[in-house]
Amino acid sequence: DAGVIQSPRHEVTEMGQEVTLRCKPISGHNSLFWYRQTMMRGLELLIYFNNNVPIDDSGMPEDRFSAKMPNASFSTLKIQPSEPRDSAVYFCASSLGDRGQGETQYFGPGTRLLVL
Amino acid sequence: DAKTTQPPSMDCAEGRAANLPCNHSTISGNEYVYWYRQIHSQGPQYIIHGLKNNETNEMASLIITEDRKSSTLILPHATLRDTAVYYCIADASAGNNRKLIWGLGTSLAVNP
Repeated sequence: DAGVIQSPRHEVTEMGQEVTLRCKPISGHNSLFWYRQTMMRGLELLIYFNNNVPIDDSGMPEDRFSAKMPNASFSTLKIQPSEPRDSAVYFCASSLGDRGQGETQYFGPGTRLLVL
Repeated sequence: DAKTTQPPSMDCAEGRAANLPCNHSTISGNEYVYWYRQIHSQGPQYIIHGLKNNETNEMASLIITEDRKSSTLILPHATLRDTAVYYCIADASAGNNRKLIWGLGTSLAVNP
């Protein structure tokens, strides 16, 4: 398996522009996670899906952020409009999601976002 | 979910054992202790996890105290490639009940 795939790997945009990050989870995994990582705040869980349904989006910073999972093999995280403080590394992770207590997560390589 | 506490940084000599501590005094009975590491500019990588018993795999050993309020990740023979940030998290997740809190981890520097 190719692992979790994220695109783009790097994104540079100007403030106010729309940014769309993409993720393909590992085939057969039922849970998908979006994280944001900054030096100041570390790794923060933004939202997670189970069986394509958003379960907890309490980590999403504000209404400018939205995430979708239209099918089991694809998810997007959208920022509209983007702001400089959104600059961070965004990781997508997936896990099997149905094995009871505890889950091993497999992370993608991340998308490095810079908003000017 | 339990919050974990780790020292911000540690040093270790190459070839020696690296012992990384983690406090999780509020951990509940159904929460597993998970360890991940993140090598610079890469996504976090799973290392090991456990509930009550000590665990060992090809990467590391995990020692969990009897009261489960703390644990130690042991890298038996650290190499330069083990230089990374190590995260300890408590995870009681299952399907629709998942809360994961990642701290800032411990930055381990393995020195030649």
